[in-house]
Amino acid sequence: EVQLVESGGGVVQPGGSLRLSCAASGFTFHDYALHWVRQAPGKGLEWVSRIAGYGDGGSTIYADSVRGRFIISRDNSKTSLYLQMNSLRTDDTALYYCAKESGSYLWGMDVWGQGTTVTVSS
Amino acid sequence: DIQMTQSPSSVSASVGDRVTITCRASQGISSWLAWYQQKPGKAPELLIYAASSLQSGVPSRFSGSGSGTDFTLTISSLQPEDFATYYCQQANSFPPTFGPGTKVDIK
Repeated sequence: EVQLVESGGGVVQPGGSLRLSCAASGFTFHDYALHWVRQAPGKGLEWVSRIAGYGDGGSTIYADSVRGRFIISRDNSKTSLYLQMNSLRTDDTALYYCAKESGSYLWGMDVWGQGTTVTVSS
Repeated sequence: DIQMTQSPSSVSASVGDRVTITCRASQGISSWLAWYQQKPGKAPELLIYAASSLQSGVPSRFSGSGSGTDFTLTISSLQPEDFATYYCQQANSFPPTFGPGTKVDIK
């Protein structure tokens, strides 16, 4: 069974840092691009970041709202995805999902984790 | 960035109804559009990719159509488990962008 399980969420003060993890299983991890997508309470889906698979060199891209503060990375040997979040702001409060790309960016995200909650508050 | 809009923002419908949701892109995206279903407290699930291709395991009452800037998601006969929020997402270019969502609730 293809599965993604996020962890690492919590409560942090503005300006603080947090590292999210996403453990993957059931597919050839290094072959697939992965995304982080977030959802603020009661709001819609907002894409955060993408990291390409091994074949595409693991290149990364970010939403304007997090560029320079967040870093996406992956460890193919541990089949894990990460999101290092620095200089957190109150508007970063959200449920953070990791999602697997379908096999091509063009085909959307076919597997999602259950999410991990990040709350930025003083 | 490509902006995505959806209409209506919410729709009330009964079991057995035909429901159509519209998604519009701010510029042409060919057929690179995905639809997701999200139930309360759950992660989104991919329903449709490439505008009209049904994701494996998704019931055939769901269908998608469109190209360029205008797209539709149709549920041919609404079932109790279909009450949820539906999002479109363009996959034509980076960054991927989502529509604001359409909530389908019980009439």
